[in-house]
Amino acid sequence: AQSVTQPDIHITVSEGASLELRCNYSYGATPYLFWYVQSPGQGLQLLLKYFSGDTLVQGIKGFEAEFKRSQSSFNLRKPSVHWSDAAEYFCAVQLISNFGNEKLTFGTGTRLTIIP
Amino acid sequence: DAGITQSPRHKVTETGTPVTLRCHQTENHRYMYWYRQDPGHGLRLIHYSYGVKDTDKGEVSDGYSVSRSKTEDFLLTLESATSSQTSVYFCAISPGNYYGYTFGSGTRLTVV
Repeated sequence: AQSVTQPDIHITVSEGASLELRCNYSYGATPYLFWYVQSPGQGLQLLLKYFSGDTLVQGIKGFEAEFKRSQSSFNLRKPSVHWSDAAEYFCAVQLISNFGNEKLTFGTGTRLTIIP
Repeated sequence: DAGITQSPRHKVTETGTPVTLRCHQTENHRYMYWYRQDPGHGLRLIHYSYGVKDTDKGEVSDGYSVSRSKTEDFLLTLESATSSQTSVYFCAISPGNYYGYTFGSGTRLTVV
């Protein structure tokens, strides 16, 4: 069965510093890959997604992610974080198939704290 | 997100009582999902729907049932609420593969 691992439960970074959140997946083929962000008391918002092509994808809020097939990874990055980036971040994978209803499998999330 | 609303936003109920949560969409998306979110577990799929009257179980479906009588509404029912069902419940919608999901704002359910 496919699975998603986010090895860091909690990360703290200083405002203005760079950020990298890790995501590894376990699956027999390259799935669709997503990153979501959840602010406190809110639902999840899609940051970016990868299907094929260029392995570096750009998302909203200045985030980017790089797909590395050899490492089964899809890490999220931001060059300079802002206090408003404090939130929980979820990586998710979706099986690629001809069916229109493949479900997302989510990682357990990484909570990001920003310090002044 | 304006295209998907959940009600109620908060609910406190007693053990053993039935509870129904509602998810309403205005996007005309075919697929709808119910997840629960608990610390340390991320999001876990309870049930999903791939069309009117077409539903299937997710990984944590015990104690829950769903119904979808029209495209825009997807109801989640806890037949007899237990304390283990205290959680935040999220509804999500999708037009299909490739697009990802759009999530509602969640329902915080407390079973006492």
